[in-house]
Amino acid sequence: GAVVSQHPSWVICKSGTSVKIECRSLDFQATTMFWYRQFPKQSLMLMATSNEGSKATYEQGVEKDKFLINHASLTLSTLTVTSAHPEDSSFYICSARRLAGAREQYFGPGTRLTVT
Amino acid sequence: RKEVEQDPGPFNVPEGATVAFNCTYSNSASQSFFWYRQDCRKEPKLLMSVYSSGNEDGRFTAQLNRASQYISLLIRDSKLSDSATYLCVVMGLSNAGNMLTFGGGTRLMVKP
Repeated sequence: GAVVSQHPSWVICKSGTSVKIECRSLDFQATTMFWYRQFPKQSLMLMATSNEGSKATYEQGVEKDKFLINHASLTLSTLTVTSAHPEDSSFYICSARRLAGAREQYFGPGTRLTVT
Repeated sequence: RKEVEQDPGPFNVPEGATVAFNCTYSNSASQSFFWYRQDCRKEPKLLMSVYSSGNEDGRFTAQLNRASQYISLLIRDSKLSDSATYLCVVMGLSNAGNMLTFGGGTRLMVKP
């Protein structure tokens, strides 16, 4: 159990376009979902935390108007990279937590974004 | 200073070797500790939690020293399939609740 999917698994887009990435918890309800970004040879950096039905909490340095997060249901969160630029090219990974305060997070397989 | 620090490696070891990774963390209020494994271009996967008493899972042994804010992972009898990046992960409280902070990872390459 505790499977998290992401769609798409990879995407190539032109500079200036917007890209939406979906994160779904397939067999459980996720009270909280997290979005991470990982640049080559670097570790995962938390971008934002989203709780179902409320606004996401963004980490310092992450532009909330550029990275729009919607968590409309207990099984789906979306990250939209607006007006993408080549420096936004990265590996975006979501994770989901089943219960508030629980230790374990379940990671999605990631989405590789390349902006040309 | 990074919140979670690891030696990036790479550690190149022969099959069957024993290898140890270390990690230090800066936030003394951190609550939980984990080792994750990440293969190239894949998501991180939980390897094991780390407890103060130390814990073992097959060939893997993890230890936590809260006083020194130091975590270790020992891999015995290395297999080729152990080649991956090992991430030291610390959980603490943030405004949004519990959050994970990842170290930069230590790359292990096990060779025949």
